[in-house]
Amino acid sequence: GDSVTQMEGPVTLSEEAFLTINCTYTATGYPSLFWYVQYPGEGLQLLLKATKADDKGSNKGFEATYRKETTSFHLEKGSVQVSDSAVYFCALKMGGANAGKSTFGDGTTLTVKP
Amino acid sequence: GAGVSQSPSNKVTEKGKDVELRCDPISGHTALYWYRQSLGQGLEFLIYFQGNSAPDKSGLPSDRFSAERTGGSVSTLTIQRTQQEDSAVYLCASSLEGLAGTEQFFGPGTRLTVL
Repeated sequence: GDSVTQMEGPVTLSEEAFLTINCTYTATGYPSLFWYVQYPGEGLQLLLKATKADDKGSNKGFEATYRKETTSFHLEKGSVQVSDSAVYFCALKMGGANAGKSTFGDGTTLTVKP
Repeated sequence: GAGVSQSPSNKVTEKGKDVELRCDPISGHTALYWYRQSLGQGLEFLIYFQGNSAPDKSGLPSDRFSAERTGGSVSTLTIQRTQQEDSAVYLCASSLEGLAGTEQFFGPGTRLTVL
């Protein structure tokens, strides 16, 4: 079945450090890929997405590129802030006959220290 | 506008009791999803409703779990004869449609504790 593997956490960085959270996937077709974020005390919300190969999703300084050849969707940010401290989830969603089913990774907790 | 709402926010029950969890999706959203999030784990897909189509129940872990969606809007997830391993946060999400690239909007979740 479909699966998403995320870099294990927790990740602790100093403010202004470079962030990479790795995400790889296994899917039988061509999924759409997502990063969701859960800030402390809040619900999950979409951070960015990409719907086809080589697409780059970006938002709030975060970027991720859909790499079909490596089945990856790594999340990056050039300079993190304390306010980026949250849990990040990589997810895939299929279309066609399997539309609706989403598969999530286990989440990566990021803590940014001033 | 209003987001996805869920009730109750917390539920503590005794083993063997039945519980009902409610989800109010965003108005106009045709797709509705239920997930379970256990401590330190990712989201586990439970069930998906899309319009008037038959729901995708492939993620329900046992026949003690069931869900319905009335009038294409409000959904109720029912867990019968609860067990301690059912303790988790149950999340509901809705989206404008069920297509692959569509963003899901999540509710705040219901934290279920089975004693």
